[in-house]
Order: sequence, then structure tokens, then C-alpha cells
Amino acid sequence: GAVVSQHPSWVICKSGTSVKIECRSLDFQATTMFWYRQFPKQSLMLMATSNEGSKATYEQGVEKDKFLINHASLTLSTLTVTSAHPEDSSFYICSAKKGPETQYFGPGTRLLVL
Amino acid sequence: QKEVEQDPGPLSVPEGAIVSLNCTYSNSAFQYFMWYRQYSRKGPELLMYTYSSGNKEDGRFTAQVDKSSKYISLFIRDSQPSDSATYLCAMSLGSGANNLFFGTGTRLTVIP
Repeated sequence: GAVVSQHPSWVICKSGTSVKIECRSLDFQATTMFWYRQFPKQSLMLMATSNEGSKATYEQGVEKDKFLINHASLTLSTLTVTSAHPEDSSFYICSAKKGPETQYFGPGTRLLVL
Repeated sequence: QKEVEQDPGPLSVPEGAIVSLNCTYSNSAFQYFMWYRQYSRKGPELLMYTYSSGNKEDGRFTAQVDKSSKYISLFIRDSQPSDSATYLCAMSLGSGANNLFFGTGTRLTVIP
């Protein structure tokens, strides 16, 4: 199997606070993980690529100081939304790369910033 | 022009129908092709994964790749209400390239 978990599944926070989302590959090791954002009825938007032991690579337009990514081990990557604002409210999904080209996705984290 | 084009639907079919979902792409360098199923408020689930041209079957699902036409398809036989979801095609360049290029997703409803 290839199971990816995310925690929390949903979070509500006040504007200005920081929120950390964890992504874990449960039954395989992943040197590369990805963070996506998805708006209602839209496809996935890649935010950044996270490589174990090195700095994340961010897509154009994604603020690296706002969306902090840490890939400290082969099974864990974290995304921290710093100083969250209502416009950061979204569905955040991580994936982990297994094998040459396949990505397995987590269940997603729904963030609501009040 | 987007690299991957997919009709967003929505697509409604009666239970038991054969469903055909399609994507076209512009980059002939794509080598790996995937179909994901995403239920509402859930992460995408990998359904099918194929390399290069040809067909691949898994139960009620058949994935088809035609690289000469830059066209991929997913067929669902004997569709069930539980198949109601958004189906995303995705493809990659291979050779260790990380990024997946996604279609916009087709929303499918199977009516009992």
C-alpha cells in the first residue's frame, strides 16, 4: 500500500496566528513530498516541493516566508501557515512521491481563518 | 493553452452505464499518465497509472493512452453511484521530474 496521512483534518484559527499542518507517509519513505492548495471546484495548485534534508522549492507566486515547509525526515513534512489571514482559508493537500513518478495524496486539511 | 485539457463536465449517467473520461495534452514529452479520483472534501486517490501508449485494465476501470494523438482516456464499466466523484487526469515528464501536470477534473454523477 501507499498511505499518506495529514493532521489536522480541519482547523479554525484567528487571523494573525500560525497553523502547522503535518503530512506523513505511513508505509513508505518519501524523499520528496508536495504541498498543494485547492479552491472549491478547482483543480490542485502546486505550492511547493519538499525534499528531505533540504530547502523546499516554491512555485512562482507562493510566498516562502508565509508558507514555511520543513521536511525533517523521510516520512514527515510540515507546512506552517504564518500570520494567517482569511484569504489563506483553503483546502491544503500534501502528496508523497513513491517510485519513479507516482504521487500518493493525503486526505487534505481544511483551514478556515476567521 | 494549458498543457493538459480536461472537460470539467458535469457528467451525469445512469447506473450501469459505461463512462468515458478524456484528457488531451500538448507536451509530447509526457511519459507517465495517471488518473485520480477525488471525493468531495477528500484528497485524490490514485486509480490508474500507465507508462507510454497502450491500455491497462483494473477491474471495472480501463486506462488508455494514445501518445500519437496526445489523448488519454479512462473508461468505467458498469458504473455505480459510488463512482460519483471528480476524476483528475495527471501526467509527468519522467526521468525523475517531480511535477505532475493536472487536468481540471471532470465531475461525474452516477444516478441510481
